[in-house]
Amino acid sequence: GAGVSQSPRYKVAKRGQDVALRCDPISGHVSLFWYQQALGQGPEFLTYFQNEAQLDKSGLPSDRFFAERPEGSVSTLKIQRTQQEDSAVYLCASSSDSLSGVFFGSGTQLSVL
Amino acid sequence: GENVEQHPSTLSVQEGDSAVIKCTYSDSASNYFPWYKQELGKGPQLIIDIRSNVGEKKDQRIAVTLNKTAKHFSLHITETQPEDSAVYFCAASLFKAAGNKLTFGGGTRVLVKP
Repeated sequence: GAGVSQSPRYKVAKRGQDVALRCDPISGHVSLFWYQQALGQGPEFLTYFQNEAQLDKSGLPSDRFFAERPEGSVSTLKIQRTQQEDSAVYLCASSSDSLSGVFFGSGTQLSVL
Repeated sequence: GENVEQHPSTLSVQEGDSAVIKCTYSDSASNYFPWYKQELGKGPQLIIDIRSNVGEKKDQRIAVTLNKTAKHFSLHITETQPEDSAVYFCAASLFKAAGNKLTFGGGTRVLVKP
């Protein structure tokens, strides 16, 4: 595709529900990142994949957050038992390799009620 | 870990004037410094980047400068236009085999008044 594609664009969840956010990176991009952006703040790193390998998950805030990229292309960020503090925009980004520019999708805005 | 500070948090300029945004970083090992523009409801858009072996880079009306000794870098936008109005983020990272993890500044909201 032309850019990084994320779905859904908006997600409303009741507290305690599980959610799954999808990212389709730019075709051929080896590196994939997830970031969390709170209102009025800069994005914060969550996790990084190189192909299907999750090489860095140091930014995941708790064990309720889980990400996967089983075939080295599409990735899913799963949040279990959502809490109000999980409300944020979740951004996915990709790059062709670890030395190239990083390109972001439009994000999924998650609201936990 | 890396910490990036960005100033100012808001910037209002008259159309045609220049805008300057400044960032400082803490980790002297960082070697890659991109700038992103984010419009309402959209993801960050990469507009320009600079690597630590370069002191300055220019692309049309946008330029970035890097001072490694002082650990600060700046974005300069000349001849501003209303469509330059957006939130701008600086970021820093260390290129390495295990990925390019970006640490972002807090953002600068730029308003260009016609």
